[in-house]
Amino acid sequence: EDQVTQSPEALRLQEGESSSLNCSYTVSGLRGLFWYRQDPGKGPEFLFTLYSAGEEKEKERLKATLTKKESFLHITAPKPEDSATYLCAVPFAGGTSYGKLTFGQGTILTVHP
Amino acid sequence: GAVVSQHPSRVICKSGTSVKIECRSLDFQATTMFWYRQFPKKSLMLMATSNEGSKATYEQGVEKDKFLINHASLTLSTLTVTSAHPEDSSFYICSASDYYEQYFGPGTRLTVT
Repeated sequence: EDQVTQSPEALRLQEGESSSLNCSYTVSGLRGLFWYRQDPGKGPEFLFTLYSAGEEKEKERLKATLTKKESFLHITAPKPEDSATYLCAVPFAGGTSYGKLTFGQGTILTVHP
Repeated sequence: GAVVSQHPSRVICKSGTSVKIECRSLDFQATTMFWYRQFPKKSLMLMATSNEGSKATYEQGVEKDKFLINHASLTLSTLTVTSAHPEDSSFYICSASDYYEQYFGPGTRLTVT
């Protein structure tokens, strides 16, 4: 059974304090790993898709990396507006990269000024 | 990125009535749309997969007669909560796929009194 585990559950940072969020996965044949940002009361906002080990993608203060067992979302010099829940997801077993997704429980990031 | 809209954003209804939620992909055609439910401080739970022109596929434990899904066109899917009860109160989110990524709507907050 596919599993996606995110850690930590919650992370509190001071503004400018860089850190990383982890997403560990157990799937039979990875067909992509997705990162989303979700603000309270809103739908998830697409951030990145990673397809193969060693791949990296960047967007502003965020960088996502992928290995064969886990993905990291690195946050460099975070600002209070980066506060949100960050979700990772993988396609269901046997599915396509654009099909049903299995989500991790999310990491709640709070950045204090 | 691609834009997915949902309407209404908030709805309050009385127990026993039905509520319809619309999900539209605004700038791309989506052959597949998904409906999720999210409880407070929890991750997204997939309810059903909706394919244009065919019956929706429901996840185990989701009552298909209570949650009616229609995917009438490549840009519109609707979720109707029939005979709503207070336990149906939740945050409902749709997503649409363009074969590469999956984009989420802003969500609909349903409150059943």
